[in-house]
Amino acid sequence: LQLQESGPGLVKPSETLSLTCAVSGGSLSGNNDYWGWVRQPPGKALEWIGTIYYSGSTYYNPSLKTRVTLSVDTSKNQFSLKLRSVTAADTAVYHCARLFVRGFWSGFCDYWGQGTLVSVSS
Amino acid sequence: DIQMTQSPSSVSASLGDRVTITCRASQGIAGWLAWYQQKPGKAPRLLIYDATTLHSEVPSRFSGRGSGTDFTLTISSLQPEDLATYYCQQTYSLVTFGGGTKVEMK
Repeated sequence: LQLQESGPGLVKPSETLSLTCAVSGGSLSGNNDYWGWVRQPPGKALEWIGTIYYSGSTYYNPSLKTRVTLSVDTSKNQFSLKLRSVTAADTAVYHCARLFVRGFWSGFCDYWGQGTLVSVSS
Repeated sequence: DIQMTQSPSSVSASLGDRVTITCRASQGIAGWLAWYQQKPGKAPRLLIYDATTLHSEVPSRFSGRGSGTDFTLTISSLQPEDLATYYCQQTYSLVTFGGGTKVEMK
């Protein structure tokens, strides 16, 4: 299984960050899988953004909930992230990952994309 | 929200040393915990899930223990390739990561 993030590496403040994660070597539609986004600001820890199931159901980090939308396109075997009204604090490496289901909207991340750096700057 | 607290934030050790990292959950999470290793510029790598189960191809010098709120990751004999930052993550409800522990050479 391979995951690959794509999207702009530079976004202006107040605009919308949009990324897509293409999944290959397997299907998004597995019953035991969630799919998620994790980000890491430079020099800082990992931060969960949100999780989506192939049906389109989602759960978001409460601290980002008002600005985040995840979506899934099973026909293209990919899922996407939109983060609105970005500021410099949203500058980070963004990873997509597969979550093998465990608890409530949770799981361990056994497959990761390599990550893509998104900088927020005018 | 479940908070995850790791300690120490960094540890210096010599090759061959035993290294132990602690992760504490703000509420009980049974055995729903994962550990990751991350090297600079790379994606995290899953080491252990369900608190004690070694992921595939992870060397046996790594081990995990704990349940409830207190968990540990131990490297029994530190190797050069183990120099990295380690994160815990609760898999009980939603997703929360610990703050990370950087393992450095003494």
